[in-house]
Amino acid sequence: DMQMTQSPSTLSASVGDRVTITCRASQSISSWLVWYQQKPGKAPKLLIYKASSLESGVPSRFSGSGSGTEFTLTISSLQPDDFATYYCQQYNTYPWTFGQGTKVEIK
Amino acid sequence: EVQLVQSGAEVKKPGESLKISCKGSGYSFNSYSIGWVRQPVGKGLEWMGIIFPGDSDPRYSPSFQGQVTISADKSTNTAYLQWSSLKASDTAMYYCAGKAVADIRAFDMWGQGTMVTVS
Repeated sequence: DMQMTQSPSTLSASVGDRVTITCRASQSISSWLVWYQQKPGKAPKLLIYKASSLESGVPSRFSGSGSGTEFTLTISSLQPDDFATYYCQQYNTYPWTFGQGTKVEIK
Repeated sequence: EVQLVQSGAEVKKPGESLKISCKGSGYSFNSYSIGWVRQPVGKGLEWMGIIFPGDSDPRYSPSFQGQVTISADKSTNTAYLQWSSLKASDTAMYYCAGKAVADIRAFDMWGQGTMVTVS
């Protein structure tokens, strides 16, 4: 299976901070990567698809970049609603696989 | 409104069988592939498999192949996840998620989750 490795596992940040989460694939996945946000007790929510396309309705402070094996999710100015866990997922090859998640906590 | 609604929480004993459901509304059956994702309590997301509209042959993760069965009923626009013999390690939240056919967005629609407890 394609392995997806996220870093860091936990991130402590303050409102207004710029936050970057990294996701690495064990093989090239072109740009077939999405980012999800999950809050406790809720289903994941799609934020970014095809590595860098912003899902409709998602605030523009979220952005994604990368291709091949290295990808990043950036939150330009962290807001109170952004404290959550973020997952990358590749959909280049079956089985699709998720990263282990990055929890963004209040500093 | 396009949405997926899952069946309610289940409490089962080891060795019992179970079938949980995911009913789609607001779209035609042939418009979406439906996948299943497992999330043990306090842990990350695990992709289990996906079923395509009009295709009776789901794709499974090797981790779940032979452990679960994914199916769908076109007449009711409902997807299913079933177990023939549950284990305690199957205790988790299970989400169904939809990917629009010919759309590049992966899972853009999610059910609310079904909590399965095996004890």
